[in-house]
Amino acid sequence: GESVGLHLPTLSVQEGDNSIINCAYSNSASDYFIWYKQESGKGPQFIIDIRSNMDKRQGQRVTVLLNKTVKHLSLQIAATQPGDSAVYFCAGGSSYKLIFGSGTRLLVRP
Amino acid sequence: GAGVSQTPSNKVTEKGKYVELRCDPISGHTALYWYRQSLGQGPEFLIYFQGTGAADDSGLPNDRFFAVRPEGSVSTLKIQRTERGDSAVYLCASSLRSSEQFFGPGTRLTVL
Repeated sequence: GESVGLHLPTLSVQEGDNSIINCAYSNSASDYFIWYKQESGKGPQFIIDIRSNMDKRQGQRVTVLLNKTVKHLSLQIAATQPGDSAVYFCAGGSSYKLIFGSGTRLLVRP
Repeated sequence: GAGVSQTPSNKVTEKGKYVELRCDPISGHTALYWYRQSLGQGPEFLIYFQGTGAADDSGLPNDRFFAVRPEGSVSTLKIQRTERGDSAVYLCASSLRSSEQFFGPGTRLTVL
């Protein structure tokens, strides 16, 4: 069945550097993918989504890349700030159902 | 504007008791979802409502779990005969389109 996973459980970056969070998926049936940010004690916060027929999408300080050949998704955060510290989840969606990975914790060093 | 709200924020109950968790979606959002999140894991789908009806309840773990949305807005997740394994954060989300689900803060359920 569908599974969505992440390469690293924790990523530590220097403030001001760019962050890259990776995600691998096993099933090609997802119509879209979403990145969520979750801070402690809060619900997941939508960051950016990408349709499966796209390979790149940019938002404010974030870029999502989708490589369907190797079934890989990444989230790039430019000029990482302390407020970016959180757990980041990728999720694959088909119609309404989202399947989440287990998350990557991003730590921003001052 | 107001986001998705969930009450209570924390619920502690004893094994075997009945609990109700409430979700108030964003006004105008026709779709509503319940997820369960265990510590260190991503949310797991439980049930999806489109309007008043449960369009997909395949994620509910067993018949102790039930959810309603009688007027197509507020939803209640009901858990009967709670077990310690039910302890988790229960998240609610709502959306106009499925690829942009907005989550509430969750209810942390602890079953002693």
